Order: sequence, then structure tokens, then C-alpha cells
Amino acid sequence: SQTIHQWPATLVQPVGSPLSLECTVEGTSNPNLYWYRQAAGRGLQLLFYSVGIGQISSEVPQNLSASRPQDRQFILSSKKLLLSDSGFYLCAWSVGRGAEKLFFGSGTQLSVL
Amino acid sequence: KQEVTQIPAALSVPEGENLVLNCSFTDSAIYNLQWFRQDPGKGLTSLLLIQSSQREQTSGRLNASLDKSSGRSTLYIAASQPGDSATYLCAAYQAGTALIFGKGTTLSVSS
Repeated sequence: SQTIHQWPATLVQPVGSPLSLECTVEGTSNPNLYWYRQAAGRGLQLLFYSVGIGQISSEVPQNLSASRPQDRQFILSSKKLLLSDSGFYLCAWSVGRGAEKLFFGSGTQLSVL
Repeated sequence: KQEVTQIPAALSVPEGENLVLNCSFTDSAIYNLQWFRQDPGKGLTSLLLIQSSQREQTSGRLNASLDKSSGRSTLYIAASQPGDSATYLCAAYQAGTALIFGKGTTLSVSS
């Protein structure tokens, strides 16, 4: 069966510090991978999605970046965090195109202070 | 650009009541529409997926309908229970992008 791992579960970082959140998927090949952010009082915002190694699409301008060094690994990074980067970050995966379900990780609660 | 709206933002009902959650989307050219459940501080759990060619999907006490022409979907929950308390999100999928989510409806079922 397929599983998705996301860590850490919680993270408190000072403004200006770097960020690295990691997500891995097991039990499937060539998944589509996604990073979403959920800020307090706001909906789920798509940040990045990837259909293959090295293929990253960005949905919104920001100081975040994403990388996919391996087929089932997706990393969200920042060189310098802002207060506005606080939120609940969710990684998700799917297979195929168009009609597939989306499966989510358990999320990382990031607080930038 | 696709926009997904959910009404109401919050809903409180007594146990046993049947209820309907609403979702609307601006661009009817979707591949599918999905309903998710999110418990506080947790990830999302997929509840139902309706393909663009389908009208509804059912799972237990849940029934989701889709009307592409009007840009609407509804999630019907029968005989609500306190364990149904959570935030329910709908999301529309289009080609060339990923799921676009509404802000959700937070449901509270009192015993």
C-alpha cells in the first residue's frame, strides 16, 4: 500500500532562518507531488506541484522554493523565512492525470517568530 | 482562473440531523471534484471523488452530487453524528494545474 511521510510535524523558526521540509512517498512510482499551505482563516493554497524529477511548477510568487531530487521525494525550502510564511504545510501525491484522488500527508505546522 | 467557494463557512447541528454542504466553482471545465475531511491540526482525508462525467457518488452516510453546468456540488450527510465534526473541503481539478480548494465548511455536531 502507498504511504506518505512528512516531517517534521511542528517547527518553530526565527525570521530570517532557512527552512527545509521533506516529504516522501512509498509504494508507488512516478507520483505527482504537491505542496500546499493552509494559513489561519484561509483556504488551502497550492504552492508547487511536480509531475516528475526536476519538474517543478510554481503557482504563486514567494520566497519559497521546491525541489524533487528523487522520484518520490519532494522538498520545500526557503533561504530566509518571513513572518508571513507561518502556516500549516501539507504535502500530497497522486498518480495519473485528471481523474485520480489526492492523498495528503499529516502536515507540518510552521511558526515563524 | 478557477475559484471555489463553500457556503456556509460554519454549521452547527444537533445529532441525527441531515445536512447539506455547498460548493460552487467558476469554471465548469473540470476533470473531477473531490470532497475532503480535515480534523483540527491534521492532514486531509479524501471522502468522495466525482468524475466530470458522473452526477453523484455515495459512501455510507455521505452522498456528493455534481452539476457541472451550474458549477455546483453538494455533500449530503445523513443522520449526523458527533464524530462527523470536522472541516469539510471541496476541490476542483482542471487540466494543467492541481486541485483548487475552497476554504471549507466547519461542521459541529452536538450530542
